[in-house]
Amino acid sequence: SQKIEQNSEALNIQEGKTATLTCNYTNYSPAYLQWYRQDPGRGPVFLLLIRENEKEKRKERLKVTFDTTLKQSLFHITASQPADSATYLCALPRGGSARQLTFGSGTQLTVLP
Amino acid sequence: DTGVSQNPRHKITKRGQNVTFRCDPISEHNRLYWYRQTLGQGPEFLTYFQNEAQLEKSRLLSDRFSAERPKGSFSTLEIQRTEQGDSAMYLCASSLAGQGNSPLHFGNGTRLTVT
Repeated sequence: SQKIEQNSEALNIQEGKTATLTCNYTNYSPAYLQWYRQDPGRGPVFLLLIRENEKEKRKERLKVTFDTTLKQSLFHITASQPADSATYLCALPRGGSARQLTFGSGTQLTVLP
Repeated sequence: DTGVSQNPRHKITKRGQNVTFRCDPISEHNRLYWYRQTLGQGPEFLTYFQNEAQLEKSRLLSDRFSAERPKGSFSTLEIQRTEQGDSAMYLCASSLAGQGNSPLHFGNGTRLTVT
């Protein structure tokens, strides 16, 4: 069955360092992958989308890679700040469409001042 | 763009009661989704509308759950005969069909507690 795995443990890093979050998937061949940020008590907020034919995508301090051979996406936050502390979710379409976006369980990131 | 609005934000109910949640999507969005999220997990897909048509339903959506989107605008999710296992955050999202891979815009959810 299709499965998405994200860093199972919470991630604590020092301010100014680069945070790297992992999303692995099995039994999928997604056309794209999305990353969302979720703060406590709030709904997820879309950050980035990367397509299967794109190796890397950047937006300000964020960088996402997508390796369809390894079935893995890496999400990097450079020059991290305490305001980056949140849960980060990766999501993939089920069945090749956005109609059923399937989410990982998320990685809780804490950036320590 | 006023964002996706969900009401109420919190609902506490006793087991066996019926509850109804409302979602107002972004006005020009024609796709509307309901997800459920429990602590420590990612959102799980429940159902999806394109305009007023309910096109997909998850197997998670038991007979006690029903969703409607009259006139293709706001949507309601009703849970009948609530059970303690229904306690969760219920999230609504909307998107615009026709934009390839369009991201979901989520509301801040309705937190349901069944006692």
